[in-house]
Amino acid sequence: DTGVSQNPRHKITKRGQNVTFRCDPISEHNRLYWYRQTLGQGPEFLTYFQNEAQLEKSRLLSDRFSAERPKGSFSTLEIQRTEQGDSAMYLCASSRGKDSPLHFGNGTRLTVT
Amino acid sequence: RKEVEQDPGPFNVPEGATVAFNCTYSNSASQSFFWYRQDCRKEPKLLMSVYSSGNEDGRFTAQLNRASQYISLLIRDSKLSDSATYLCVVNSGSNTGKLIFGQGTTLQVKP
Repeated sequence: DTGVSQNPRHKITKRGQNVTFRCDPISEHNRLYWYRQTLGQGPEFLTYFQNEAQLEKSRLLSDRFSAERPKGSFSTLEIQRTEQGDSAMYLCASSRGKDSPLHFGNGTRLTVT
Repeated sequence: RKEVEQDPGPFNVPEGATVAFNCTYSNSASQSFFWYRQDCRKEPKLLMSVYSSGNEDGRFTAQLNRASQYISLLIRDSKLSDSATYLCVVNSGSNTGKLIFGQGTTLQVKP
C-alpha cells in the first residue's frame, strides 16, 4: 500500500511535554498538508508545503506548533509545551498539485492529560 | 462568516430516499471544489470532485453554482452504507493551494 502514512497512531502525553508526529506522503505527491480535527468539526487547516517550502500557515496556530519537510518527502509536526486544548486528531494529507484532491493518512490521535 | 458553511444535520432518511446537501463558500475566487466522506473515527476520503458543468458518479450528483457561491451533493436511492459525514471542501482563493473544510453534514440512513 503506497498511501499516506502517519506515526504514531495514538499519543498520550502529559501537559507541558513536547510531541512530534511524522507523515510520509504518497511518493509522487509534491504537496503535503496538516490538519487538526476535533469531535463534531471538520478538519481545520494548519499548514501546507510544496516540496520543502512551507507556503502557508494558519493564523490560528500558536508559536508552539512547528512543521518541517526538510527534503520534500516526509514531514514532522511538533507541538511544544502541550496543553489540554491540543487534544485532537492530527491529519496529514498529500496531493499532486494545486487543484488536486487530498489523500489522507489515518491520523495521529493526541490526548493531553 | 465562515469560509465554508454546511448544515450539520443530522439528516435521518429511510433507505431508498433521495437526499441533498448544500454548502456555501465565501471567496468568489475559489476554483477547486470537492466532496469528501468521513466515517466515524476514520480519515476523510474523496467522494468526488465538483466541476463547473456538474458531474455524476452513479447515485451521486454534484453541482456548482458560482453566482450564488454554493455547491450541492445529491444522493439518490440511499443505502444503509451511505451513513457517514459528508464534508464540503473549497480552496480559499485562486492563488493558494489551501483547502478549507466545512463542518460536515451527518447522514443517517435507516432501514
